[in-house]
Amino acid sequence: DQQVKQNSPSLSVQEGRISILNCDYTNSMFDYFLWYKKYPAEGPTFLISISSIKDKNEDGRFTVFLNKSAKHLSLHIVPSQPGDSAVYFCAASEKETSGSRLTFGEGTQLTVNP
Amino acid sequence: KAGVTQTPRYLIKTRGQQVTLSCSPISGHRSVSWYQQTPGQGLQFLFEYFSETQRNKGNFPGRFSGRQFSNSRSEMNVSTLELGDSALYLCASSFLSRGEQYFGPGTRLTVT
Repeated sequence: DQQVKQNSPSLSVQEGRISILNCDYTNSMFDYFLWYKKYPAEGPTFLISISSIKDKNEDGRFTVFLNKSAKHLSLHIVPSQPGDSAVYFCAASEKETSGSRLTFGEGTQLTVNP
Repeated sequence: KAGVTQTPRYLIKTRGQQVTLSCSPISGHRSVSWYQQTPGQGLQFLFEYFSETQRNKGNFPGRFSGRQFSNSRSEMNVSTLELGDSALYLCASSFLSRGEQYFGPGTRLTVT
């Protein structure tokens, strides 16, 4: 039962353009969402998060949008840079009772071409 | 601040053996979670410790266990290793029991 799904295994964009990574979830108890970036042989690096009381959160080049009715979130990277090439994971956690347990999507490999 | 550290980084074990992995969280972080990453199953939650107590456990057999010490350092143990236990084991720490988790580099375990 895949509660968090990233349907695009890969995405390729040109440097300077926008990268949009998508994530869908099925568990309506999820109320906190995060995006991580992962390079090979390293642990995931936290990028940005959003609480279910918001529908948008920005941090520099990264913006996360949350559509609760559609159970969908997306990560926008503008402008994309070659150093952004990595695997991106979205993750979700349930309300307070679940502590720090994160449920991850399968990941999307982003390639930014110079 | 130093990041999350994990030791060892690489480990090769034989089926049937047991293994202990160590994690030192970011200073001041009291929550430590463990995850397993495999090509087939992705990133899966193993368990979480907060103030030396296991708060949450994922769907893994009892061969997987952990503990947390008073200084928040954590260890996980896998007994009677199976070939399918070959994976990257990641430790993450956070200040609160909820919130952003910061991951270590992982321990790559290979079971032969």
